[in-house]
Amino acid sequence: SQQGEEDPQALSIQEGENATMNCSYKTSINNLQWYRQNSGRGLVHLILIRSNEREKHSGRLRVTLDTSKKSSSLLITASRAADTASYFCATDAKGGGSNYKLTFGKGTLLTVNP
Amino acid sequence: DAGVTQSPTHLIKTRGQQVTLRCSPKSGHDTVSWYQQALGQGPQFIFQYYEEEERQRGNFPDRFSGHQFPNYSSELNVNALLLGDSALYLCASRGSTIVYGYTFGSGTRLTVV
Repeated sequence: SQQGEEDPQALSIQEGENATMNCSYKTSINNLQWYRQNSGRGLVHLILIRSNEREKHSGRLRVTLDTSKKSSSLLITASRAADTASYFCATDAKGGGSNYKLTFGKGTLLTVNP
Repeated sequence: DAGVTQSPTHLIKTRGQQVTLRCSPKSGHDTVSWYQQALGQGPQFIFQYYEEEERQRGNFPDRFSGHQFPNYSSELNVNALLLGDSALYLCASRGSTIVYGYTFGSGTRLTVV
């Protein structure tokens, strides 16, 4: 079953604009991770935020986490055509020990137009 | 630095057949997980191997089985293939720290006809 739900399902923007994707989840988590996938290939890890963190930055990426609302957002600033991909949030739920089983949402398809 | 290597990249099988997919984890990683990704969906967790044992399993039938070898490489076996098993199968590995998340392979595209 899907733990996370990304919103929107699809997003189309112009190069240079910012892109914001949201993720909601259902259970308590140890951490939440964001991944990128280009055209049905493997996933690339972007950033991890722990349950006791509220915001994290990595280059042009900014992730926020609100555990009270069970939601997260991923902001990509100054987007480029190369950012075109599907973006997934994945949660590592509490109660699974240290086994780090990831539960993914259905993803947001981001298209950045040149 | 080689990442996660999966083989084969594409595979076509007939209903009822059996298939074995292979994965070599990233150097230094000892935990391997397998995921199934249907078209237009997010990856679904199948199972995870650590120290040659299955540590966690997702909601998949016993037709899905796996193995981890002493060199940390892993196999995913699927018996009695169904049309619904057609998907991208992803292998992911991680080391002792979760900070860097999982490293995924490019996947094996399995088509069952």
